[in-house]
Amino acid sequence: GIQVEQSPPDLILQEGANSTLRCNFSDSVNNLQWFHQNPWGQLINLFYIPSGTKQNGRLSATTVATERYSLLYISSSQTTDSGVYFCAVIYNTNAGKSTFGDGTTLTVKP
Amino acid sequence: NAGVTQTPKFRVLKTGQSMTLLCAQDMNHEYMYWYRQDPGMGLRLIHYSVGEGTTAKGEVPDGYNVSRLKKQNFLLGLESAAPSQTSVYFCASSRTRGEQYFGPGTRLTVT
Repeated sequence: GIQVEQSPPDLILQEGANSTLRCNFSDSVNNLQWFHQNPWGQLINLFYIPSGTKQNGRLSATTVATERYSLLYISSSQTTDSGVYFCAVIYNTNAGKSTFGDGTTLTVKP
Repeated sequence: NAGVTQTPKFRVLKTGQSMTLLCAQDMNHEYMYWYRQDPGMGLRLIHYSVGEGTTAKGEVPDGYNVSRLKKQNFLLGLESAAPSQTSVYFCASSRTRGEQYFGPGTRLTVT
């Protein structure tokens, strides 16, 4: 199956700093999503972005499907941004099959 | 519009017991998924369904069965629970290959 790798595994920031999280995938995909898992375990949809660039407030994401990677940008980070960020892909060869990366754990310190 | 709901939220089982987890969605989505998440790891796909009456195996299907008798419901069964099945279980739904929406999770402990 498809491999999904996220980097870095852990990231510690001071409040107000910017960061970039990366998601690499090993094959063509139909669909790519970014999620934030908050400290209570809830999975929050951030972006549905199989290709191109999207922005939502302080967060933006870019997927370059031809080069098989996606980036999540967080600007002016806040303590409430802490948690685990996952990317997940649905890929071509098996309709509906979905694979998650292992996530990036972000800690934002006040 | 409740989105995706899961029942129960918490459960403790003894080894060998059986149980069924219920996932319900009110968004008329075609696709539904069951995942498990172990500590410090991402979500791994157990089974999924691309429509009413259909199911397919995911990455870690052993020890689980599923059924999708109605479009809005996706059931996950454990016939004989084992300690290795202690995990948090998430259900999700989507339009065809579209954006997935997740339920709040079920925390299962098998002693």
